[in-house]
Amino acid sequence: AQSVTQPDIHITVSEGASLELRCNYSYGATPYLFWYVQSPGQGLQLLLKYFSGDTLVQGIKGFEAEFKRSQSSFNLRKPSVHWSDAAEYFCAVGTTSYDKVIFGPGTSLSVIP
Amino acid sequence: KAGVTQTPRYLIKTRGQQVTLSCSPISGHRSVSWYQQTPGQGLQFLFEYFSETQRNKGNFPGRFSGRQFSNSRSEMNVSTLELGDSALYLCASSHGTGVNGEQYFGPGTRLTVT
Repeated sequence: AQSVTQPDIHITVSEGASLELRCNYSYGATPYLFWYVQSPGQGLQLLLKYFSGDTLVQGIKGFEAEFKRSQSSFNLRKPSVHWSDAAEYFCAVGTTSYDKVIFGPGTSLSVIP
Repeated sequence: KAGVTQTPRYLIKTRGQQVTLSCSPISGHRSVSWYQQTPGQGLQFLFEYFSETQRNKGNFPGRFSGRQFSNSRSEMNVSTLELGDSALYLCASSHGTGVNGEQYFGPGTRLTVT
């Protein structure tokens, strides 16, 4: 069965610092990969997705993610974090055989002014 | 375009009661998925509806059910509520189905069971 892990439950960074959130998945074939962000009291918003092609994907709000097949990873990055980026971040995986999207446990991001 | 709307936003129910939550998808979207979000279990898939038919279902007991109407609006029902059903219930709509559909989420319904 497919699974998604996000090793970091909580991360704190200073405003202006770079950010990398880790995501690993377990599945035999290349899955569909997503990153979502959830602000307090809000639903989830799609940041970016990878289906195929270029392994470096650009998303909204200055985020990017890189798919590394050899490491089964899809890490999210941002070169300079803003205080408004404080939120919960979810990595998600979907496969055509399983036909549903599975979400990781999430990483909570705090930003120090 | 208006986003996904969910009503009510907050709900308090007593054990044993039943509850119905509503979701209105983005105009033109025909797929609606439901998720349960709890601190302990995270985001778990409940079911997906497309064109009034349930096309996929997660691992939840039969107390959890749903339906979709011809205008793509969807409802989910939980019968015989248990304390463990307290959660944020999220609805997501998409133009496509399954993993190919880019999902747009509503703000959720916060259900508290006492």
